[in-house]
Amino acid sequence: NAGVTQTPKFQVLKTGQSMTLQCAQDMNHNSMYWYRQDPGMGLRLIYYSASEGTTDKGEVPNGYNVSRLNKREFSLRLESAAPSQTSVYFCASSDVRDRGYNEQFFGPGTRLTVL
Amino acid sequence: SQQGEEDPQALSIQEGENATMNCSYKTSINNLQWYRQNSGRGLVHLILIRSNEREKHSGRLRVTLDTSKKSSSLLITASRAADTASYFCATDADNQGGKLIFGQGTELSVKP
Repeated sequence: NAGVTQTPKFQVLKTGQSMTLQCAQDMNHNSMYWYRQDPGMGLRLIYYSASEGTTDKGEVPNGYNVSRLNKREFSLRLESAAPSQTSVYFCASSDVRDRGYNEQFFGPGTRLTVL
Repeated sequence: SQQGEEDPQALSIQEGENATMNCSYKTSINNLQWYRQNSGRGLVHLILIRSNEREKHSGRLRVTLDTSKKSSSLLITASRAADTASYFCATDADNQGGKLIFGQGTELSVKP
């Protein structure tokens, strides 16, 4: 099993450009998450999807949109990138049914720089 | 908003020493989890402690939870250079809608 995969690993954008970060999991998990990680800030939740067909805002949703394409895939879109969105983006998945609690499994991250 | 606050922010020790990291949180929780992040990688789950537990062990890891003080600590005994990483606490609470809230992390450096 690959677990959680993310593409691309690295990306450089110019201000105003758009892009979509892709995430897929092969663990049959119901829930998926997008976080951003900035130095000294820990992980902050951007959006999450508790189950296929649902999405909800997290702590820092402004400037982002998401799509839960199917149970496996959860994408994050930046419509008009800004330098403040320079960060490392992590996708995660979980399923409370597996262990009885919300243990999250993380992808390797996408390092995004917006110039 | 961040629920977990960790200290210290950074910790540097010699191999063989013990490393202790602390996490404080604000509201009642169902459980508290610790994750590890190696440089340039995603987070990996280490250990979970439920709100009705006071201490838990897993190999060289020991986690304690004091719900009256709303705090937890992670102890790594006999540390190794390979333990060098960032460590995050994460809380799971009924009022968080199934989401985890992560602390800001402790950066541990273990020198050989």
